[in-house]
Amino acid sequence: DAMVIQNPRYQVTQFGKPVTLSCSQTLNHNVMYWYQQKSSQAPKLLFHYYDKDFNNEADTPDNFQSRRPNTSFCFLDIRSPGLGDAAMYLCATSRDAGQNSYNEQFFGPGTRLTVL
Amino acid sequence: LAKTTQPISMDSYEGQEVNITCSHNNIATNDYITWYQQFPSQGPRFIIQGYKTKVTNEVASLFIPADRKSSTLSLPRVSLSDTAVYYCLVGDVFTGGGNKLTFGTGTQLKVEL
Repeated sequence: DAMVIQNPRYQVTQFGKPVTLSCSQTLNHNVMYWYQQKSSQAPKLLFHYYDKDFNNEADTPDNFQSRRPNTSFCFLDIRSPGLGDAAMYLCATSRDAGQNSYNEQFFGPGTRLTVL
Repeated sequence: LAKTTQPISMDSYEGQEVNITCSHNNIATNDYITWYQQFPSQGPRFIIQGYKTKVTNEVASLFIPADRKSSTLSLPRVSLSDTAVYYCLVGDVFTGGGNKLTFGTGTQLKVEL
């Protein structure tokens, strides 16, 4: 089945130690998104890629970076995790069908990050 | 982006119809209305999307009045497995591609026997 896969499902890191979360998709969608979801809160968009074009949300901290080496993979790098970065990180994809179209986003299961 | 307002929580019983209303007074002409469902420790899942009037699929109906300032998600005959958070989103396409989703607080639906 076509899907969005996130690895690992659970990640533990130490305060200040860089960590990378990965997302892959078999949907061949051209848009990929990263969201942060803290406990009992709604998902918050960090950034998205439209093909290779990176689009950062204005309030996303510089501590968060992303890479998309090809259509299928996208990575979230947290350069110096703080205690406040503990959250569920969700990857999503969508297929851009052009102007005046609005297509659903397909979410992965998420990676739960713990910062010690 | 239009802000959405929806009840924080709702309770229901199995077999009942549940209607969750969302207010989006500042909806723009290009905005679509989309509902997502999220279970604990899972990513959100698309339920239904509409622009105006009524949309129905195999799991839900979406009612949108003519002024589009609100919308109602209708879940027929809910079961325990429908216990989840339901998000109403109003969004547009990004310039250059992709869809802008801004999640509101969501409605925690609890279904009991």
